[in-house]
Amino acid sequence: RKEVEQDPGPFNVPEGATVAFNCTYSNSASQSFFWYRQDCRKEPKLLMSVYSSGNEDGRFTAQLNRASQYISLLIRDSKLSDSATYLCVVRDKLSFGAGTTVTVRA
Amino acid sequence: DTGVSQNPRHKITKRGQNVTFRCDPISEHNRLYWYRQTLGQGPEFLTYFQNEAQLEKSRLLSDRFSAERPKGSFSTLEIQRTEQGDSAMYLCASSPGLADEQYFGPGTRLTVT
Repeated sequence: RKEVEQDPGPFNVPEGATVAFNCTYSNSASQSFFWYRQDCRKEPKLLMSVYSSGNEDGRFTAQLNRASQYISLLIRDSKLSDSATYLCVVRDKLSFGAGTTVTVRA
Repeated sequence: DTGVSQNPRHKITKRGQNVTFRCDPISEHNRLYWYRQTLGQGPEFLTYFQNEAQLEKSRLLSDRFSAERPKGSFSTLEIQRTEQGDSAMYLCASSPGLADEQYFGPGTRLTVT
């Protein structure tokens, strides 16, 4: 089983829609999680950390479910510029998921 | 620009040749990481340094790969006797501490012909 698994998508959504997706991790002792976004042929860029209590940054909400060992990312009011691949990271295991592709259409 | 930089940005080489890539991390970051990424996959961890000490190496890092960070600043990644399967984007990242967010450089895209 992979350390980190993500639904690859693609999620194809209209502007203004809400899109959400999960990332599961295998090691229950993992402590530190992040979401990154990666545009085509560019490097990953930090989107947000994932805190135990859940956290929000503008239109983005990240949550952690330790019991079921997954983290989630929700994007509200999608913009065209949100089109990207979203990578989850289990930081203390230095493991990235393969990414979830989101395409926001006009 | 005070971000992570990598050189070269692109490298085309023939199978069997050696290549070396360089990474300059954010200056105050003592941790430096190398990853490899192929199309449709997330970055795969190769190795990381705390200052000049190489603390962990992935099983992906075969004996043809070697990484150094001699003075705890910049790092080099060398691939000897390149193979076509080595074609990938090689990403470098740095962070202040182990649990902190990583900042990535633009990567070196290697093509082995």
